[in-house]
Amino acid sequence: EAGVAQSPRYKIIEKRQSVAFWCNPISGHATLYWYQQILGQGPKLLIQFQNNGVVDDSQLPKDRFSAERLKGVDSTLKIQPAKLEDSAVYLCASSLVGGSHIDTQYFGPGTRLTVL
Amino acid sequence: GNSVTQMEGPVTLSEEAFLTINCTYTATGYPSLFWYVQYPGEGLQLLLKATKADDKGSNKGFEATYRKETTSFHLEKGSVQVSDSAVYFCALSNTGNQFYFGTGTSLTVIP
Repeated sequence: EAGVAQSPRYKIIEKRQSVAFWCNPISGHATLYWYQQILGQGPKLLIQFQNNGVVDDSQLPKDRFSAERLKGVDSTLKIQPAKLEDSAVYLCASSLVGGSHIDTQYFGPGTRLTVL
Repeated sequence: GNSVTQMEGPVTLSEEAFLTINCTYTATGYPSLFWYVQYPGEGLQLLLKATKADDKGSNKGFEATYRKETTSFHLEKGSVQVSDSAVYFCALSNTGNQFYFGTGTSLTVIP
């Protein structure tokens, strides 16, 4: 079974530029998550989708971050404009069911973003 | 609220030493508890989990027991190997399947 795919693996941009990350979850997984992992810290949830609807985006900085999951499969996370403090690894995860059901999350390899 | 507290690292052990990484949690309701491992340059991988009190999760020689009375889920391994060098994250998941991660504990095993 293929795992969660993410691209690109690495990205370097200058502040105020925009950037987009892509995630393809495990086939059949209804729930998709985007996390931000700053160096030396644990992952922090940015947004959670169930199918193509948003379940939780309370920690997403909506003035600069946006995410979508068209057709309930792939997802894109965008930052516009980027700030220095956005430098982090962006992790995508998926789970089979989600919602009110507690379910194991499977993580992709992440995208390491460096903002100069 | 929900939160996870892990022992701070880094932890350095000799091969075949005994490992304990402490994890305590605060949660409402009845969370599930997880240990994830992150090898250099890779994403998080599920190591083990426990879904209710007194459950023991185990995998690859690692074990952790869900202790509701002490709100703990300590990770143990009897004999570590160099290949166990990684960062270990304790996490809990509660209603809505939202995960809360600890800050991670870096483990280095030297030959």
